[in-house]
Amino acid sequence: KAGVTQTPRYLIKTRGQQVTLSCSPISGHRSVSWYQQTPGQGLQFLFEYFSETQRNKGNFPGRFSGRQFSNSRSEMNVSTLELGDSALYLCASSLDGADTQYFGPGTRLTVL
Amino acid sequence: GENVEQHPSTLSVQEGDSAVIKCTYSDSASNYFPWYKQELGKGPQLIIDIRSNVGEKKDQRIAVTLNKTAKHFSLHITETQPEDSAVYFCAAKGWDYKLSFGAGTTVTVRA
Repeated sequence: KAGVTQTPRYLIKTRGQQVTLSCSPISGHRSVSWYQQTPGQGLQFLFEYFSETQRNKGNFPGRFSGRQFSNSRSEMNVSTLELGDSALYLCASSLDGADTQYFGPGTRLTVL
Repeated sequence: GENVEQHPSTLSVQEGDSAVIKCTYSDSASNYFPWYKQELGKGPQLIIDIRSNVGEKKDQRIAVTLNKTAKHFSLHITETQPEDSAVYFCAAKGWDYKLSFGAGTTVTVRA
């Protein structure tokens, strides 16, 4: 069974731009969670989607948003990029959110 | 919300020795405790997990123990090998499906 895939793997943007990251979960998984990983703050929860609905949200500003499609694929968007948004963005999928989460390889975002 | 503390932040062991990483959590409602291993340039990989109705779980050289009363859980790696060198994260999850992670432990296995 294929694992979680994320595209693109690397991204370079400038301040003020916006960016969209994509995540394809493991087949059959309906829950997708997004995390931000930085050296200073570690792994921080952004939001979780289940059946196209945002079920939970972390403590991030409204510039961070996401959505989930009917095939469980998910996208996250960051608008008005800031230097501090440079991070590894990880997506994780699970069957229903209550069980094991499997992570993708991440998207490395650099904001210049 | 849940707060997970992880110690130590770095750990250097001789090949063949054991490594122990400890985590504490704050929310008594948390019921699922996974451990992830992250190698350079990769996403975290699940290595073992334990649920709150179990006190100990073992998988070959890796074991996890959970003390619900004290709200702490530990990862034990025996007979360490160079390929065990990585960053290890503990995490806790409760009713809200959100994983709260520890800060990570960088493990170095010296040959």
